[in-house]
Amino acid sequence: SQELEQSPQSLIVQEGKNLTINCTSSKTLYGLYWYKQKYGEGLIFLMMLQKGGEEKSHEKITAKLDEKKQQSSLHITASQPSHAGIYLCGAETDSWGKLQFGAGTQVVVTP
Amino acid sequence: NAGVTQTPKFRVLKTGQSMTLLCAQDMNHEYMYWYRQDPGMGLRLIHYSVGEGTTAKGEVPDGYNVSRLKKQNFLLGLESAAPSQTSVYFCASRDRGVGGYTFGSGTRLTVV
Repeated sequence: SQELEQSPQSLIVQEGKNLTINCTSSKTLYGLYWYKQKYGEGLIFLMMLQKGGEEKSHEKITAKLDEKKQQSSLHITASQPSHAGIYLCGAETDSWGKLQFGAGTQVVVTP
Repeated sequence: NAGVTQTPKFRVLKTGQSMTLLCAQDMNHEYMYWYRQDPGMGLRLIHYSVGEGTTAKGEVPDGYNVSRLKKQNFLLGLESAAPSQTSVYFCASRDRGVGGYTFGSGTRLTVV
C-alpha cells in the first residue's frame, strides 16, 4: 500500500519566522491536498496540487509539488498566531479519488 | 448553504449499541467518503461510494457498514459499537474526478 510520510510531527516557531512542512509519498500521486485543522474542528482547505512542478500561493502560504509528484512542501512566511493549528497533507491515490492522509503536523506560534 | 452536512455532531454510545451517522450533500457530487480521525493518525478511509447504489471498502472498514440509496446521502452504520470506534468521523464529497473535496464538520463519537 502507498505510504505517506509527513514531517515534522510538531513545530514550534516564533512569530515572524518561516516554517516548512514536508509530505513524501512512496508512489506517484494523482494529486496532493493541504488542509489546516484547529483542534476539535473540521478541515479547512488550503491548496490543491496536481501537476508535477506546480507551485501555488495564497497570502503567506506556498505549496509545491515536485516534478516526480512524490513530494510536496508547505511553506509559511512570517508566521502569525493565526497560522497555529494542525496541518494535514492528503494524497489522491487512485482514479476514485481516495485520499490517504499524513499523520499531521502541529504548529505552535509563540510571541 | 451548499456543502456537506453531518448529523449528529456529537454522540455517546454504550458498548454494543448501534447507530447511524448521516452525511448529506447538495452539490450533486458523485463520490462520497467516510473517514475517521484518531489522535496522531490523520484521517483514515472507512468506506467510499462512487455513485448511487455503489459502495466499497476503504482502509479500515471492519465494524462499519454503509449505504448510498440516494445520491445525496451516504450513511455510516455501527451495528455493535466498541470503545475502539471512539473517534471523530468526517464525511467528504467530490465531483467525479474533478476538483477538490468538500468535508463535513465532523461527528464526535464516544463509545463507553
